[in-house]
Amino acid sequence: AQKITQTQPGMFVQEKEAVTLDCTYDTSDQSYGLFWYKQPSSGEMIFLIYQGSYDEQNATEGRYSLNFQKARKSANLVISASQLGDSAMYFCAMREAKVSNYQLIWGAGTKLIIKP
Amino acid sequence: EAGVAQSPRYKIIEKRQSVAFWCNPISGHATLYWYQQILGQGPKLLIQFQNNGVVDDSQLPKDRFSAERLKGVDSTLKIQPAKLEDSAVYLCASSLVSRDNEQFFGPGTRLTVL
Repeated sequence: AQKITQTQPGMFVQEKEAVTLDCTYDTSDQSYGLFWYKQPSSGEMIFLIYQGSYDEQNATEGRYSLNFQKARKSANLVISASQLGDSAMYFCAMREAKVSNYQLIWGAGTKLIIKP
Repeated sequence: EAGVAQSPRYKIIEKRQSVAFWCNPISGHATLYWYQQILGQGPKLLIQFQNNGVVDDSQLPKDRFSAERLKGVDSTLKIQPAKLEDSAVYLCASSLVSRDNEQFFGPGTRLTVL
């Protein structure tokens, strides 16, 4: 079974609109962390936001927020007021504390295209 | 603070040739990762180092891929001989050792095998 599922292979969004990128995860661990990365066409992975499983509040970083619904095992990324520069691949990833080497488990990604 | 450095950025070789990639992680980061990312997919971990020791190389095709991190800082990844299916972006990342710490990535090396 897939541990990280991103169900949207691609999305088109109008500039200035908000966008939600879906991510669901599967773990039996009580302690884990969830990450979102952005990968523009240049290829570099850019860290966006982190949510710990014990964090009670949803993480926010500027225009990025993480809609963390623990019971549903969902960690959707919300980008407010989208910009043309937000066009990129977006990856959701999870790190489980029981995995001693702290490896990240990656989703397949969502390609986001912002239309002017 | 300098980021993760990788070179070369691009490499084109013919199948059966050999190639090497270099990575310099962020200063102080004990953990270094090499990923292979095939177009349209998420990164796949090839090998993880903690200082100069290998933590996990279970997905490294050891018949053709090798990696080392001799002094616990820089690392090289080598492919010998290359196959067509090795065409991918090779990403190097580094991190502090903690559940909560993000991995910082280099710009990647785009390898094309003809």
